[in-house]
Amino acid sequence: AQSVTQLGSHVSVSEGALVLLRCNYSSSVPPYLFWYVQYPNQGLQLLLKYTSAATLVKGINGFEAEFKKSETSFHLTKPSAHMSDAAEYFCAISGGYQKVTFGTGTKLQVIP
Amino acid sequence: EADIYQTPRYLVIGTGKKITLECSQTMGHDKMYWYQQDPGMELHLIHYSYGVNSTEKGDLSSESTVSRIRTEHFPLTLESARPSHTSQYLCASHDRNQETQYFGPGTRLLVL
Repeated sequence: AQSVTQLGSHVSVSEGALVLLRCNYSSSVPPYLFWYVQYPNQGLQLLLKYTSAATLVKGINGFEAEFKKSETSFHLTKPSAHMSDAAEYFCAISGGYQKVTFGTGTKLQVIP
Repeated sequence: EADIYQTPRYLVIGTGKKITLECSQTMGHDKMYWYQQDPGMELHLIHYSYGVNSTEKGDLSSESTVSRIRTEHFPLTLESARPSHTSQYLCASHDRNQETQYFGPGTRLLVL
């Protein structure tokens, strides 16, 4: 069985501030982990993924995430928020031939 | 990166009408998925396919049906649309080499 838990359904940050979106996972096999972003009226776009190579993964738009096995976490960060980062972000997990499981999403608001 | 196309992007239709939402991908991916997503909410898997002539129901019960006659095409059909079917429908395909799902832009359906 596998699951992801996204802590905080809504996160607000000021423009230029650090963005931190939290994701914890549970998996009985070594997982693949993903972050997707969804803008209004759009599909999901892959931001980055962890597939057991480097634990620090860099993605598009300046985002990165660090896989921490000891904490079962895969938090998404960006040093400086931009207005265009306002969107909904989904953490997801797959592994062991299972289907991808998505978290419930975190809406990021960027305050000017 | 996969190219996944969904048509129509937006559809307004009356109760009782039959509709088919189209989804096509050009990367030869075997696995394809349909998700239902209410505005600002999480994704719910409603159908998936592991290849031609393979279709399975997902985690969320749905009155829709799907078919997979060709690898690149995975249409979803509602025989008799109802207001409760109003939602966004997202199609995705899975690149097994990269263990990654790629999403289409979605179809936003409104049933009056």
